[in-house]
Amino acid sequence: GAVVSQHPSRVICKSGTSVKIECRSLDFQATTMFWYRQFPKQSLMLMATSNEGSKATYEQGVEKDKFLINHASLTLSTLTVTSAHPEDSSFYICSAIGRAEQFFGPGTRLTVL
Amino acid sequence: DAKTTQPPSMDCAEGRAANLPCNHSTISGNEYVYWYRQIHSQGPQYIIHGLKNNETNEMASLIITEDRKSSTLILPHATLRDTAVYYCIVRVATSSNTGKLIFGQGTTLQVKP
Repeated sequence: GAVVSQHPSRVICKSGTSVKIECRSLDFQATTMFWYRQFPKQSLMLMATSNEGSKATYEQGVEKDKFLINHASLTLSTLTVTSAHPEDSSFYICSAIGRAEQFFGPGTRLTVL
Repeated sequence: DAKTTQPPSMDCAEGRAANLPCNHSTISGNEYVYWYRQIHSQGPQYIIHGLKNNETNEMASLIITEDRKSSTLILPHATLRDTAVYYCIVRVATSSNTGKLIFGQGTTLQVKP
């Protein structure tokens, strides 16, 4: 079946640094990818929709200059958390649409010290 | 956007059927009902989806009422590994026809031995 991977699975960084998270569709081409964030004991919150070759569409309240999204190819989207702060610590999950279904990656646990 | 209402938690005995209800009274005619589940600290896993008719696959069955205002996900023989948060989602159509999945709070299913 379709597989979506994320790298890294876990990252710890210092406050003020930037962190890049990669999302790959492994056996299908994904023209659309989504980025979600999940805080402990809460549901997934959609951050942005990423379309290959165009600018991402951000949900209301999500800072586009802080969460940079690049979708340069049909199999790769990246999320960069710029100048990370402790409140950005969360579980980041990407998702890709393939064969009319939406598949999710395993998630990336970000901890900002 | 059509919203869904699910009970926050349910218990089920191992080996018995788990019936998870979902209300989506504002669903529109071209919106599908999707079910995903999330096991702790993992990405969501697709289970099943439907529009009008009942659906069955190797994981579960989906029963949609005739007026489409509610549905039930049935896990026929629940196992301990089915313990997870189950999300019922109505797919939102967007202009690019790649509908976003907006997650509610879901139902935490606890399968007990």
